[in-house]
Amino acid sequence: GQNIDQPTEMTATEGAIVQINCTYQTSGFNGLFWYQQHAGEAPTFLSYNVLDGLEEKGRFSSFLSRSKGYSYLLLKELQMKDSASYLCAVMDSNYQLIWGAGTKLIIKP
Amino acid sequence: ETGVTQTPRHLVMGMTNKKSLKCEQHLGHNAMYWYKQSAKKPLELMFVYNFKEQTENNSVPSRFSPECPNSSHLFLHLHTLQPEDSALYLCASSQDPGGFYEQYFGPGTRLTVT
Repeated sequence: GQNIDQPTEMTATEGAIVQINCTYQTSGFNGLFWYQQHAGEAPTFLSYNVLDGLEEKGRFSSFLSRSKGYSYLLLKELQMKDSASYLCAVMDSNYQLIWGAGTKLIIKP
Repeated sequence: ETGVTQTPRHLVMGMTNKKSLKCEQHLGHNAMYWYKQSAKKPLELMFVYNFKEQTENNSVPSRFSPECPNSSHLFLHLHTLQPEDSALYLCASSQDPGGFYEQYFGPGTRLTVT
């Protein structure tokens, strides 16, 4: 079966750095997405990786290793507004998105 | 209006009621989706429409009936639901369902079945 694993919850301090991991086992691979979802709101797109390596976008970076079935989302200079759930999703060989359950990130002052 | 809108935002219905959820996208996209989001579970894809044609139906019970009259509007008709159907129902759209395009989500309808 297809599976996406990510930690259920993480806590970090304002101004610090946090890394949210995602491992996947899917039927084929056509890219990995990260979305952010604030409580009670819609998920919003953060990043897309299809090749190995690090993609940097401001305070957020996303890394992919296809051989290891692994990705992480790195958030730097954490702000209180970064408190949200972070969803990892993999596009399989049928171009269908397989979603993880999300990681709830709690930022403390 | 911009982006993806959904109405109503909240809905409480009894198991014998019939109701409909509405989604509208103002992005000119060709694909639209219905998802179910339950607490601490992955998003569950329910239906996919591409150019108004249904292309995916992920074993969804018949008490959920989608309708896509045009590429901008999507409905989810609900009847004789069960309490376990209580969840957040999200609509999304993307430029193309088969390509590397991000999906844009609406704010969702919080459904409670009593």
